[in-house]
Amino acid sequence: EDKVVQSPLSLVVHEGDTVTLNCSYEVTNFRSLLWYKQEKKAPTFLFMLTSSGIEKKSGRLSSILDKKELFSILNITATQTGDSAIYLCAVIEYGDNNDMRFGAGTRLTVKP
Amino acid sequence: DGGITQSPKYLFRKEGQNVTLSCEQNLNHDAMYWYRQDPGQGLRLIYYSQIVNDFQKGDIAEGYSVSREKKESFPLTVTSAQKNPTAFYLCASSPPPFRDTEAFFGQGTRLTVV
Repeated sequence: EDKVVQSPLSLVVHEGDTVTLNCSYEVTNFRSLLWYKQEKKAPTFLFMLTSSGIEKKSGRLSSILDKKELFSILNITATQTGDSAIYLCAVIEYGDNNDMRFGAGTRLTVKP
Repeated sequence: DGGITQSPKYLFRKEGQNVTLSCEQNLNHDAMYWYRQDPGQGLRLIYYSQIVNDFQKGDIAEGYSVSREKKESFPLTVTSAQKNPTAFYLCASSPPPFRDTEAFFGQGTRLTVV
């Protein structure tokens, strides 16, 4: 079963638009949720979320976690063509199953 | 500088051959992971290891093997039993649970079966 589900899988917008990417998860011993941006090779880190309701912000990007409803969103405002990438969500658990599971990713394309 | 190094960047393999992908980290991280990424898709977990001499299968472990003889190293062998090995392979490591920092990735190895 999928532990981490991202939606949408693909998204095409125009520069200046605002986008919201979703990540829902189902794990037993939640530790943290991470967002990464992957343009070509290695994913680059965006945010780590461990507490509900606390927004993390970096420039035009922001993210928030809801541990009750088991999801996180990643917002990008005033999108630019350089935001085009695959956005990956991962969940790390505590305990015996201490793995790091990724969702399928959202491929964002920002057109000029 | 601290980081994760994967080698080689590109690898070609003939069908029926085993091949080993290298992953080394000097971050003193306990946990290490191997993922496979197919074009346009997310990362699927192959194997992970929390401590030396211990590792667990991920979602797609069939046809792969790993070892963790040293904390710094987590090599992945793609065996001839893996039916569709052509993919991009990423190695990652993460710190102990008491340190809430992100996982780090290597630059990946692109494996092509010819």
